[in-house]
Amino acid sequence: GESVGLHLPTLSVQEGDNSIINCAYSNSASDYFIWYKQESGKGPQFIIDIRSNMDKRQGQRVTVLLNKTVKHLSLQIAATQPGDSAVYFCAECYNQGGKLIFGQGTELSVKP
Amino acid sequence: ETGVTQTPRHLVMGMTNKKSLKCEQHLGHNAMYWYKQSAKKPLELMFVYNFKEQTENNSVPSRFSPECPNSSHLFLHLHTLQPEDSALYLCASSQDRRNTGELFFGEGSRLTVL
Repeated sequence: GESVGLHLPTLSVQEGDNSIINCAYSNSASDYFIWYKQESGKGPQFIIDIRSNMDKRQGQRVTVLLNKTVKHLSLQIAATQPGDSAVYFCAECYNQGGKLIFGQGTELSVKP
Repeated sequence: ETGVTQTPRHLVMGMTNKKSLKCEQHLGHNAMYWYKQSAKKPLELMFVYNFKEQTENNSVPSRFSPECPNSSHLFLHLHTLQPEDSALYLCASSQDRRNTGELFFGEGSRLTVL
């Protein structure tokens, strides 16, 4: 019979467009947030992090935005490339040394 | 190359078998972790070791037995597993337990239990 499970959220973008991946976190006391990228057949790879005393942080082609009021985190990827195709996970923790709680993940697909 | 190497990459075992997963990190880190990744589910933390001492066991069944002989090596011993234990098992390391955000993951061991 057909198995019932969670559907991984997906996002499909055209190469060259900007991508925005969203994440809702659960603990209002979380003060440290991380985005990971997991390509097919590989382990998750750290992309960028942000502490709760910031609302925006920029890296190379990536920007993370934090809205503590609504407990929302987003990852923006500029000029998305085929190599950006992967599953992206957000993670939260309290006091940086606490347990890291991962989100379900969003699958990003980049169309050439 | 992330500096964290896992072997084997793929493992198929019967429910009565005993096998082990191995993880080695070349980063000089002091904390090592086992995570379970099932299809369409968030990563689940299983065990944490800090300076070779187990600091966390997230209610993992006893059929999974971790071993950390030194800060560079981590094992996950498997015995009498169930089909629902089929998953990708990821090893990770960080500088120490206080830096859980800066995790470096291996590529995982894909386990299938028949």
